[in-house]
Amino acid sequence: ETGVTQSPTHLIKTRGQQVTLRCSSQSGHNTVSWYQQALGQGPQFIFQYYREEENGRGNFPPRFSGLQFPNYSSELNVNALELDDSALYLCASSLTGNGYTFGSGTRLTVV
Amino acid sequence: EDQVTQSPEALRLQEGESSSLNCSYTVSGLRGLFWYRQDPGKGPEFLFTLYSAGEEKEKERLKATLTKKESFLHITAPKPEDSATYLCAVQANTGNQFYFGTGTSLTVIP
Repeated sequence: ETGVTQSPTHLIKTRGQQVTLRCSSQSGHNTVSWYQQALGQGPQFIFQYYREEENGRGNFPPRFSGLQFPNYSSELNVNALELDDSALYLCASSLTGNGYTFGSGTRLTVV
Repeated sequence: EDQVTQSPEALRLQEGESSSLNCSYTVSGLRGLFWYRQDPGKGPEFLFTLYSAGEEKEKERLKATLTKKESFLHITAPKPEDSATYLCAVQANTGNQFYFGTGTSLTVIP
């Protein structure tokens, strides 16, 4: 049984650019959620997908968007990057919504 | 406003010295309360899910309890390997939103 895999592990982008982060869910998990974690803070919920449909969204602007594919892998896209978008981005997957397995995250730095 | 507050922010314990971490929450309809452990540079590791007041769950030296307004994570006779940040999160019935606290950083000294 594989866990949740995120890529890339580290990324540096310039302000105004666009970025795509990827997540492979744990085998069989049909629910995926994305989080932004600033240094020293708890994760902030961005959104959740269940069977390719968004079914929950936190307080993030529309330039944060996502996709879930038929194999339940997922992408997080961020347009028009800002300096404050620098953070650890975490993906978590679940089968029943009762316990989420997190990946190790992608560290995004915007300069 | 839905929110989660954890206390204390940091806790230093001697090995074997039991203690409790607190998670107070306000949410319009609780779907579940989650406890996670996070080591530096890694993603959170799932520990427990609690659904209703009065529920308790245990795993090795950890025990989580839930009331209508707060949850406690009790650590019995901790070991240095229990050192980590412990995160609490609640999931609301409305919109499936998750709210995390800022965590308690636990250090267990040999």
